[in-house]
Amino acid sequence: AQTVTQSQPEMSVQEAETVTLSCTYDTSESDYYLFWYKQPPSRQMILVIRQEAYKQQNATENRFSVNFQKAAKSFSLKISDSQLGDAAMYFCAYRRGLNAGGTSYGKLTFGQGTILTVHP
Amino acid sequence: GAVVSQHPSRVICKSGTSVKIECRSLDFQATTMFWYRQFPKQSLMLMATSNEGSKATYEQGVEKDKFLINHASLTLSTLTVTSAHPEDSSFYICSAIRDRVQTQYFGPGTRLLVL
Repeated sequence: AQTVTQSQPEMSVQEAETVTLSCTYDTSESDYYLFWYKQPPSRQMILVIRQEAYKQQNATENRFSVNFQKAAKSFSLKISDSQLGDAAMYFCAYRRGLNAGGTSYGKLTFGQGTILTVHP
Repeated sequence: GAVVSQHPSRVICKSGTSVKIECRSLDFQATTMFWYRQFPKQSLMLMATSNEGSKATYEQGVEKDKFLINHASLTLSTLTVTSAHPEDSSFYICSAIRDRVQTQYFGPGTRLLVL
């Protein structure tokens, strides 16, 4: 079974600074996807960034980027120029590839979450 | 982007009554929907996978007779909490995926409080 671990229950950052959230995962599969989701106080889950395992290039979305280390099974999220609106709980998630069989199609395995506080 | 709605957004009920929560994909057909439960400051716990036209697949430890799931159409899945008790109070979130699309779209969640 796949597992996702976020070892930082809470993190804080000053506005305009950079912060990195850690995530490691365990899998024996080669075809999978990794995601970072943001859950603000409204509790609406928002997709921040997605990484396909077969892609070597790290995904980037504006101020958000990942450091995907496939061999180390590490998938960290870097938030640059942090803003007050970035304050939220962040979840790392794993999903098996489309070619995976069985009943687990589409299932996401989430990490424990990291609460990010942004100080003005 | 794809939109998923949930209704109601919050509900308060008496112990012993049943509560139905609806999850709708508004602008796409969702062959698969998921139901999660979340406690404060904790991660999402997958309860079940709902496929249109077939029985839901429940995760280990989730009582299927307690949490009834129906996926009657490609845009609607419902979760019914039967004979609700205070320990069922939680935040329930649904999500939906399109076929062959890797992104899962989440509803805004339903806060259930059982008195």
